Amino acid sequence: DAGITQSPRHKVTETGTPVTLRCHQTENHRYMYWYRQDPGHGLRLIHYSYGVKDTDKGEVSDGYSVSRSKTEDFLLTLESATSSQTSVYFCAISTSSGNADTQYFGPGTRLTVL
Amino acid sequence: GENVEQHPSTLSVQEGDSAVIKCTYSDSASNYFPWYKQELGKRPQLIIDIRSNVGEKKDQRIAVTLNKTAKHFSLHITETQPEDSAVYFCAALKAAGNKLTFGGGTRVLVKP
Repeated sequence: DAGITQSPRHKVTETGTPVTLRCHQTENHRYMYWYRQDPGHGLRLIHYSYGVKDTDKGEVSDGYSVSRSKTEDFLLTLESATSSQTSVYFCAISTSSGNADTQYFGPGTRLTVL
Repeated sequence: GENVEQHPSTLSVQEGDSAVIKCTYSDSASNYFPWYKQELGKRPQLIIDIRSNVGEKKDQRIAVTLNKTAKHFSLHITETQPEDSAVYFCAALKAAGNKLTFGGGTRVLVKP
């Protein structure tokens, strides 16, 4: 499992509330990613990080922010959750030191926004 | 940016037969092509990958082929078994790139 954990694994929240999802890795990999997976849309990149305090946007970043203050933790925040953000969220790490290849995924977080 | 198209979207095969999934990519600078298998309710798992300096790679019953000229790569599963039933995703990465681009997925059903 490449030493990746996600918390919480399941969450139900209400529209307008803030939500933070955590991805934790134990192997000091440089690159970390947040994806969402929805039926009919496959895996879509939200944000990624290429080092502590170094982050960039993916293809579906609106409504999401991220932070990485330590190598091992990458946080995804929904400032004000909406029903369209109901999804399964996967964190991933790249075991490559120089780029994004050889990615391994965490177990996922199922988020429901009512 | 890169665009990856995956076909077919669903594939039903008889146990023991072969399955082939094809992906095309748009950016000739892409040089890394992984395949992921995702079982129902589970995380995507990396099952095989290929880099642009080789044309084919095998691992037991699965193989991936790459045609750089035509910009397509394919996953081949031989002697399919019920446990091969899953959704399979291809992806592509540009050289020194930071982001994988995924195909839309293929749902494979192996009928006993």
